[in-house]
Amino acid sequence: GESVGLHLPTLSVQEGDNSIINCAYSNSASDYFIWYKQESGKGPQFIIDIRSNMDKRQGQRVTVLLNKTVKHLSLQIAATQPGDSAVYFCAENPTTDSWGKLQFGAGTQVVVTP
Amino acid sequence: NAGVTQTPKFRVLKTGQSMTLLCAQDMNHEYMYWYRQDPGMGLRLIHYSVGEGTTAKGEVPDGYNVSRLKKQNFLLGLESAAPSQTSVYFCASNHRIDEQYFGPGTRLTVT
Repeated sequence: GESVGLHLPTLSVQEGDNSIINCAYSNSASDYFIWYKQESGKGPQFIIDIRSNMDKRQGQRVTVLLNKTVKHLSLQIAATQPGDSAVYFCAENPTTDSWGKLQFGAGTQVVVTP
Repeated sequence: NAGVTQTPKFRVLKTGQSMTLLCAQDMNHEYMYWYRQDPGMGLRLIHYSVGEGTTAKGEVPDGYNVSRLKKQNFLLGLESAAPSQTSVYFCASNHRIDEQYFGPGTRLTVT
């Protein structure tokens, strides 16, 4: 997973541009991945998920890409808006035996500038 | 539907005091979870439950206890609070094959 520290990686994006948030996961046996968005003072909100038998999944303005070869996950946000400013977490489900016991990365702070 | 609710929203404890955090969900979910989130870090699983009357330890269970007497409620207890337990606590729930739905969090400060 991502390295843990007191200072989150920050992605500064201009409004209207596309954002790409990256996540390296740790367990090659993980079969399910989720992206969450967390706004200040709130709980995480589900954005999109992907299973290990897929390499791409699209939602509304968001796309998740999965590269199992290098254990890498990315979230692309099209036409980033001010409301997209938040901390974004990736999470992995390590094995089918522990379904629901997600492991979260440290998160990436996205700041949308006008 | 209210989704996942947590009480209280804020609490300040002195070292050694005890308290219980309540989580309630109205989605008929089987699985429920308690996480803690510290500044600049992701969520860490404290305890979880796969059904009424069952509980299990997560990644950081020491100093916490839980109970799931009713399917819709999941309680997190701190018997003797320590400053290291200062954190934001999140409850979540889901069906087994589903994303987790999170509550708004409880901000706990232990002095």
